[in-house]
Amino acid sequence: GAVVSQHPSWVICKSGTSVKIECRSLDFQATTMFWYRQFPKQSLMLMATSNEGSKATYEQGVEKDKFLINHASLTLSTLTVTSAHPEDSSFYICSAISWVAGGNSYNEQFFGPGTRLTVL
Amino acid sequence: KQEVTQIPAALSVPEGENLVLNCSFTDSAIYNLQWFRQDPGKGLTSLLLIQSSQREQTSGRLNASLDKSSGRSTLYIAASQPGDSATYLCGKGNAGNMLTFGGGTRLMVKP
Repeated sequence: GAVVSQHPSWVICKSGTSVKIECRSLDFQATTMFWYRQFPKQSLMLMATSNEGSKATYEQGVEKDKFLINHASLTLSTLTVTSAHPEDSSFYICSAISWVAGGNSYNEQFFGPGTRLTVL
Repeated sequence: KQEVTQIPAALSVPEGENLVLNCSFTDSAIYNLQWFRQDPGKGLTSLLLIQSSQREQTSGRLNASLDKSSGRSTLYIAASQPGDSATYLCGKGNAGNMLTFGGGTRLMVKP
C-alpha cells in the first residue's frame, strides 16, 4: 500500500519556540493531505486540509496563524507550530490521499506514523 | 454536527473468539467508510475501505459492512488473536474526502 512518513517522530521543545513537522508521501503523489491532532485516549480531530499549491483550509477553532501549513509539492506538506505552548503538546498525524486514475473520486486515506510533540 | 459513535469503547476477549465492532453515524451523506487500526503511540493503519456504493469488504479475517440506511458499519474479526489487540477506529468519509472519526474501540485479546 501507499506509504506516508512523518519527521520527526517525536520532539521536545521549550515554550515559545516553533516546531516544524514534515509529512511525505513516499511512493505516490498526493494532491491533498490532512493534518490531525490526537490527545491521549481520544480520537483524531481534523485540523486542516492541505492542497498542493494553494492555501490550507482550517477547521473551526484551529488558529491558522499558529498552525502554519505549507504544501509545496505533491509529496510534501509541512505543519509548523508557532510559539508553541504546553497546551499544544499532542500527537500530530498527517494523512494523504492516493488518487487512483479513473477510479472512484473518494479514495483511501493513508496515514503517517505520527509526531509526538511535547512542549515544556 | 456530524457524529460518529463506536460501541463498545473497550473490549477484552479470550483468544479465538469472533468479534463485532460497531460504528454508527448520524449524517446519511456518506461517501465511504474506512476502518483503521492504531497501536499505542503509532499512526493509523488502514484495514478496509467501503465505498458508498458497496455493502461490504473483506480482507483475511476481517469483514466490514456498511448499511447507509441505518447509519451503521460493523467490523467483524474472525478467530481473534493476541496480535489483534489495538484500538480500532472507523472514519466516515465526507465531502472533500475528509474523515470524521469515532472514538475508537480498544480491543484486548488475551492468550
